[in-house]
Amino acid sequence: DAGVIQSPRHEVTEMGQEVTLRCKPISGHDYLFWYRQTMMRGLELLIYFNNNVPIDDSGMPEDRFSAKMPNASFSTLKIQPSEPRDSAVYFCASSSHDSLLQFFGPGTRLTVL
Amino acid sequence: AQSVTQLDSQVPVFEEAPVELRCNYSSSVSVYLFWYVQYPNQGLQLLLKYLSGSTLVESINGFEAEFNKSQTSFHLRKPSVHISDTAEYFCAVTGLSGNTPLVFGKGTRLSVIA
Repeated sequence: DAGVIQSPRHEVTEMGQEVTLRCKPISGHDYLFWYRQTMMRGLELLIYFNNNVPIDDSGMPEDRFSAKMPNASFSTLKIQPSEPRDSAVYFCASSSHDSLLQFFGPGTRLTVL
Repeated sequence: AQSVTQLDSQVPVFEEAPVELRCNYSSSVSVYLFWYVQYPNQGLQLLLKYLSGSTLVESINGFEAEFNKSQTSFHLRKPSVHISDTAEYFCAVTGLSGNTPLVFGKGTRLSVIA
């Protein structure tokens, strides 16, 4: 298995632009998690899905952030409009209902200028 | 709700010396515990986990951690570190109610000095 796949690996954009991050979970996994890593706040959950349904989005910073999971093999995290304080590494992770182990993707390093 | 405290943000240690990275957690319910490692510019990799059974768990590369319920700790140890162990180490917890999100500590940067 290729593991969790995220794209792009790096994104540099200007303030006000729309940013879309993508994630492909491990095949057969029915849980998908989006985390954000910053120097100040460490690793924090943004949102997670079970069977493509959002379960908890209380970690989403504000309305500028939205996430979707249209099918079991794809999820997006969108920021519109982006701001410099959104600069961070965004990780996607997936797990299976019969295992507690979360497998992480390589992350997307976002820089908003 | 759970929280995790990693008491040391940075730990420098000489090669072949022992190391201990400390982790304490707080939770009103029983938890599962994990250590993840992050090498520079890479994602998080699971190093070891405590789910149940023996309180001492080991990884394939010589790390071990011991779950201490009375002290709410899950410290990570290695008797002899290598240069290749240089990385950031994260302690994490999750509740027993299923596939719930991980709550991470702030991380400890281990630097192994030749």
